[in-house]
Amino acid sequence: DTAVSQTPKYLVTQMGNDKSIKCEQNLGHDTMYWYKQDSKKFLKIMFSYNNKELIINETVPNRFSPKSPDKAHLNLHINSLELGDSAVYFCASRVLGQGDTGELFFGEGSRLTVL
Amino acid sequence: GNSVTQMEGPVTLSEEAFLTINCTYTATGYPSLFWYVQYPGEGLQLLLKATKADDKGSNKGFEATYRKETTSFHLEKGSVQVSDSAVYFCALSRNYGQNFVFGPGTRLSVLP
Repeated sequence: DTAVSQTPKYLVTQMGNDKSIKCEQNLGHDTMYWYKQDSKKFLKIMFSYNNKELIINETVPNRFSPKSPDKAHLNLHINSLELGDSAVYFCASRVLGQGDTGELFFGEGSRLTVL
Repeated sequence: GNSVTQMEGPVTLSEEAFLTINCTYTATGYPSLFWYVQYPGEGLQLLLKATKADDKGSNKGFEATYRKETTSFHLEKGSVQVSDSAVYFCALSRNYGQNFVFGPGTRLSVLP
């Protein structure tokens, strides 16, 4: 029973297209995140939602739009894809109510390749 | 701001060698500290954590001690195995968990 699940796992698309990645967690957590991991494995936080409310919105092109329909789901929509968007995107969740001690739980990642 | 610095990799060791991966942090107050591991083709998973000064986290033979005086959380293992080959990330959590910051990762390769 997967705790944090992302779909799709692999996505290959052309420049200029629009695509979405979905994330669902069944852990009852109240906070979800999107991270981008580049080819050198560097992890960069993009967005975070707490109970459907945006709490972290890092410097990310406005072509990226997160959407949280409920606290168990956080989707990422990307418009007008560019070559530099190629990366692995990770969804994660945690319980913010545990303060700074709660660990992050990660999905398996969605590898996006823009041609 | 909050940040995490790790030793640059890749680190290549022979099986049964001793491992140290250095991690230092910058943060206000008292963050919680974590080590995550990412095996090839997988997501990150928690390896160990420590939530206050002098705490020692341990798991699967790995250990790290929260040293506030040196702002460090170095990862150690007495005898590495080929199956430990992965990328290791040091991380901190601050500001009531909103800000979860990762280091750049250190790739470890263990040769038989």
